Amino acid sequence: DGGITQSPKYLFRKEGQNVTLSCEQNLNHDAMYWYRQDPGQGLRLIYYSQIVNDFQKGDIAEGYSVSREKKESFPLTVTSAQKNPTAFYLCASSYRTGGTEAFFGQGTRLTVV
Amino acid sequence: KQEVTQIPAALSVPEGENLVLNCSFTDSAIYNLQWFRQDPGKGLTSLLLIQSSQREQTSGRLNASLDKSSGRSTLYIAASQPGDSATYLCAVLGGIGAGNMLTFGGGTRLMVKP
Repeated sequence: DGGITQSPKYLFRKEGQNVTLSCEQNLNHDAMYWYRQDPGQGLRLIYYSQIVNDFQKGDIAEGYSVSREKKESFPLTVTSAQKNPTAFYLCASSYRTGGTEAFFGQGTRLTVV
Repeated sequence: KQEVTQIPAALSVPEGENLVLNCSFTDSAIYNLQWFRQDPGKGLTSLLLIQSSQREQTSGRLNASLDKSSGRSTLYIAASQPGDSATYLCAVLGGIGAGNMLTFGGGTRLMVKP
């Protein structure tokens, strides 16, 4: 089946630890995005990538890092510099960044323990 | 900076009612507007995409309209069912400060009672 796969579904992080969230798509989409969703709030953009080996910061990039070595993959690392990482993280992709439909994965819920 | 507002924040209706969800945005220079559905703890499911040159899109019992000049969109749900209970999000692509990014509203949480 074509789509976007996020893993793991649930992730627990200890204080001071870096963790990496996986996002893979087989839709042949050029653009990929990472969003953060907090309870009762809208989605906020962390990073986005329009093409392999290129990415831009969104509104809340501090404490996060990404890479885009392959078209299909856009992993997000939550570093120890992110002071409040507990949230629901959503990955999305679209064929290109302007004017096309965006599709989302099922999300990863990250909890700091 | 592009801002998106959804009203109401929550809505509870009896089964069978027709209902309208509202979305407004501050900058009309958008590429498109997309409506999504989100079930609790799940990702977003795309419902309808309206390009900036279009006025409306329909899919089954859903109809979305776009008035770009006034910065408004509505999602009309006909003959609502309990299975329609979810949070509905609208998002616009483009606008001042947004470039090629999607800007989301806060969502409308819909409960359809049997």
